[in-house]
Amino acid sequence: QKEVEQDPGPLSVPEGAIVSLNCTYSNSAFQYFMWYRQYSRKGPELLMYTYSSGNKEDGRFTAQVDKSSKYISLFIRDSQPSDSATYLCALGGSGYALNFGKGTSLLVTP
Amino acid sequence: GAVVSQHPSRVICKSGTSVKIECRSLDFQATTMFWYRQFPKQSLMLMATSNEGSKATYEQGVEKDKFLINHASLTLSTLTVTSAHPEDSSFYICSAYRDSLNTEAFFGQGTRLTVV
Repeated sequence: QKEVEQDPGPLSVPEGAIVSLNCTYSNSAFQYFMWYRQYSRKGPELLMYTYSSGNKEDGRFTAQVDKSSKYISLFIRDSQPSDSATYLCALGGSGYALNFGKGTSLLVTP
Repeated sequence: GAVVSQHPSRVICKSGTSVKIECRSLDFQATTMFWYRQFPKQSLMLMATSNEGSKATYEQGVEKDKFLINHASLTLSTLTVTSAHPEDSSFYICSAYRDSLNTEAFFGQGTRLTVV
């Protein structure tokens, strides 16, 4: 079993919809939880990170962590066509390389 | 602006030649940088951990003699793909933590390597 599981999609939603992206993990030692957005042929860019259970909000994005269930989510409100990208969850511990999910391909249609 | 710069963004080389990829932290010092490889529609796979002033740590299955890593300064790590073969064609990405708590990992733009 991989340490981080993420549904690759693709996920297609109409503009303005709320998008929910999820990852599950098996290693309870993970301390940091991150979401990256990757456009085609580009490197990943950090969207959000958190290190505790609960919600963290930044504009249209909300990251949610449930350590007891080993489940993390990223919500995108009022989705835009420019949000179309691959979203990767990444988990890690202090000083260690990240463990990535496979990424979920998102398409927001006008 | 980008805090980790990777160069080149794209390179095409002939089989048997070597290619060097540079990764620079622009506004911070990084004692540790990471090199990842990404195949199409796949996630990033860690290749090695680059440590300033010491030998890199390679993940299982990664040939250290083929993927040479040099972390000569606190702002520069290089990955050299030696005697490249078509199966080495991939997207290579470096990353470094910017903060002391190692919570924010920033990535270079990536290098698309095509070996013909």
